[in-house]
Amino acid sequence: DAGITQSPRHKVTETGTPVTLRCHQTENHRYMYWYRQDPGHGLRLIHYSYGVKDTDKGEVSDGYSVSRSKTEDFLLTLESATSSQTSVYFCAISEGGAGTGELFFGEGSRLTVL
Amino acid sequence: AQSVTQLGSHVSVSEGALVLLRCNYSSSVPPYLFWYVQYPNQGLQLLLKYTSAATLVKGINGFEAEFKKSETSFHLTKPSAHMSDAAEYFCAVPNTGNQFYFGTGTSLTVIP
Repeated sequence: DAGITQSPRHKVTETGTPVTLRCHQTENHRYMYWYRQDPGHGLRLIHYSYGVKDTDKGEVSDGYSVSRSKTEDFLLTLESATSSQTSVYFCAISEGGAGTGELFFGEGSRLTVL
Repeated sequence: AQSVTQLGSHVSVSEGALVLLRCNYSSSVPPYLFWYVQYPNQGLQLLLKYTSAATLVKGINGFEAEFKKSETSFHLTKPSAHMSDAAEYFCAVPNTGNQFYFGTGTSLTVIP
């Protein structure tokens, strides 16, 4: 199994509070991704990274920011959480990105915003 | 930009029956196509991957998928469903900028 750890696995927070989700990998893969999963929408890309300090937006990036200061860590931050950001968040990694291959997923972080 | 469409958000089959989950890709032929499976409360894991080396791709747990250019399809099949196959299945395709585009998923229920 790919070494991907997400933390926290479960979080309940209130509207307006900041939230940071962490993804940690032990595979030294270049590409890291944050997706959110919602019923009826499948997985939608929030942000991704193609190297240390190199990030780009996905299709649902509004309200989210990311940072990658080390190869192994990719942080997703909700500056001011809203109820619409209640979701399950998945981190994924890829050695070669979309040009060569597949994604490996973490087990998810379930976020509830009250 | 590449995309995929999964027809049928829910599919129910009897144990032992054929499983058919549908996926169609957008117009241009992609270099790769994937099927992922998600068991309850888990992340996604790769079921199989098409790389243009062969149109019929065999994956884990007895699943296979056939790439059909004429139909722009990459449907997932399994001859005989097992209770353990109950899960959500996602079709995916590489997209521009090193992104991956996922379909909306098909939830498979297996009836004993």
